[in-house]
Amino acid sequence: KNQVEQSPQSLIILEGKNCTLQCNYTVSPFSNLRWYKQDTGRGPVSLTIMTFSENTKSNGRYTATLDADTKQSSLHITASQLSDSASYICVVREGYSTLTFGKGTMLLVSP
Amino acid sequence: DGGITQSPKYLFRKEGQNVTLSCEQNLNHDAMYWYRQDPGQGLRLIYYSQIVNDFQKGDIAEGYSVSREKKESFPLTVTSAQKNPTAFYLCASSTGRLDVGEQYFGPGTRLTVT
Repeated sequence: KNQVEQSPQSLIILEGKNCTLQCNYTVSPFSNLRWYKQDTGRGPVSLTIMTFSENTKSNGRYTATLDADTKQSSLHITASQLSDSASYICVVREGYSTLTFGKGTMLLVSP
Repeated sequence: DGGITQSPKYLFRKEGQNVTLSCEQNLNHDAMYWYRQDPGQGLRLIYYSQIVNDFQKGDIAEGYSVSREKKESFPLTVTSAQKNPTAFYLCASSTGRLDVGEQYFGPGTRLTVT
């Protein structure tokens, strides 16, 4: 069964600090991996998408990495801001099929 | 102003009543999706539609029904047969390109059934 596991489940960091969120998956065949940001009570918004051949992609202060061999991805947030407080969801597409969603990591940036 | 709209944002119903959640998009996307989100769980697919007048069941379709009479609209009905309907419901759309087509999400509807 396809699975996407995210860690940690939740995280609290001080404003201005960096953090890294992890995503491990067992989806096969792999098509692409997305990271979404979801503010409380809102719909998810895409941050990055990576295919098999890409191992790093940045979007402002967000940098995602992908290791397709070990089936791991990370999302690094640099110089965190209060507005970064949200749930971050890793989503993996299997071939031409539907998506498998992780449960998300809840990030709280504290002043 | 392009995007996906869902209405209402909050919805309250009594147990035993059917309720319909609205989803409209003006992105000219072919594919539309309905997801359910519960605390501590990943999004779960209820129904999806790749083209007008056609839709398929997702992983948790029991107790739900949909229609796709127009490209822009994909309403979801939560029936009285759904055992635990209280949840946050998200609608999404995509270009339908299954290889890289990104899904754009609406703002969601929080349904509470008592």
